Amino acid sequence: EVQLVESGGGLVQPGGSLRLSCAASGFTFSGYWMSWVRQAPGKGLEWVANIKQDGSEIYYVDSVKGRFTISRDNAKNSLYLQMNSLRAEDTAVYFCARVYGGDSKYRYFDLWGRGTLVTVSS
Amino acid sequence: DIVMTQSPDSLAVSLGERATINCKSSQSVLYSSNNKNYLAWYQQKPGQPPKVLIYWASTRESGVPDRFSGSGSGTDFTLTISSLQAEDVAVYYCQQYDTPPFTFGGGTKVEIK
Repeated sequence: EVQLVESGGGLVQPGGSLRLSCAASGFTFSGYWMSWVRQAPGKGLEWVANIKQDGSEIYYVDSVKGRFTISRDNAKNSLYLQMNSLRAEDTAVYFCARVYGGDSKYRYFDLWGRGTLVTVSS
Repeated sequence: DIVMTQSPDSLAVSLGERATINCKSSQSVLYSSNNKNYLAWYQQKPGQPPKVLIYWASTRESGVPDRFSGSGSGTDFTLTISSLQAEDVAVYYCQQYDTPPFTFGGGTKVEIK
């Protein structure tokens, strides 16, 4: 079955760190750009970061630059998001998403995981 | 950043009636070299991840019912549900994938009247 499964969410204090993981299965993970997208409780969707197939190109939304790091391990079919210096406004469900096609980062998200909740609170 | 503005924020439509959602981008998402609009529509039901319905502004994703259609070009786009069904109750988002950051509209909640 083609799927993405996120893990690693939880409760963390402001200023703390957390590492999210996304396990991919059912498709050739190394052939796709991958992304993280988040959704604050009751709010809309916000793209967070993209990473190219070989990790050679990475893009972030300005609000997480310098604090979050996206990475991947193609041998393990896994995507990661290292989140440091967390703030209350980072509280959200974090979705792992596949970028369609594999030929470009300028494509829509065609496969989503169910998400993992990150709560930043003291 | 490209700002995506959706309207209305919510709408209530009777079963079998038409629902229309608008999305406006702050700059064109039409790429002239291939004449494609880098605009997608997603449906998100409660407790579920988003699901792509439409991409390239008007191409329906495989398996999506043909009552869903997308139109528009440049900066103005529309998602139409031609005959609303109970299972279409959801929040709908537009998204541009023309320029990072790949921004989403604020969402439109569709309910049954």
